[in-house]
Amino acid sequence: AQKVTQAQTEISVVEKEDVTLDCVYETRDTTYYLFWYKQPPSGELVFLIRRNSFDEQNEISGRYSWNFQKSTSSFNFTITASQVVDSAVYFCALSAYNQGGKLIFGQGTELSVKP
Amino acid sequence: GAGVSQTPSNKVTEKGKYVELRCDPISGHTALYWYRQSLGQGPEFLIYFQGTGAADDSGLPNDRFFAVRPEGSVSTLKIQRTERGDSAVYLCASSLQQYNSPLHFGNGTRLTVT
Repeated sequence: AQKVTQAQTEISVVEKEDVTLDCVYETRDTTYYLFWYKQPPSGELVFLIRRNSFDEQNEISGRYSWNFQKSTSSFNFTITASQVVDSAVYFCALSAYNQGGKLIFGQGTELSVKP
Repeated sequence: GAGVSQTPSNKVTEKGKYVELRCDPISGHTALYWYRQSLGQGPEFLIYFQGTGAADDSGLPNDRFFAVRPEGSVSTLKIQRTERGDSAVYLCASSLQQYNSPLHFGNGTRLTVT
């Protein structure tokens, strides 16, 4: 069975701090996709990144970076120099390789960045 | 361009009533998905359409739930004999292709069954 676990329910930081959101997944598939989505208070889920299981290279996009480690089944997300606008609920998700839109979501981590 | 549009944004109904939730995907997106998000939880997959046909409805909780997409664009999620446990945010998403494109989500319809 597929499962995504985000053990951190809530995180609170002060602006400019770095913060890492943890994601651990379970799957029997050898090929799969991993995702991160952001859900601001408006409610719309915003796509941040997709990673396929073949590619373990870490990725950086501005203040965001992702660390994919197949050996520990983890796909962690780090925000550097956090800003108040980063406050949102962040979801990690998993899909089978041939079912790219059928996502299994974690429970989400609510990030609060205080000025 | 316009994103995924869902109407209504809020729906309050009495237990036992029938409701319809509408999703207007991004123009040209062939794949359409419905998810349900309960308070404090991640979204849960309900059904997805490739074109007009439901390619996977394995997430529908029971036969009170049904969805259609008759012309391959707009989709309607229908819930019969609503129950209080159906209260949630119903999210619609669309993508260009079935497998390789990220999902674009709408703002959702918040359904409250009293």
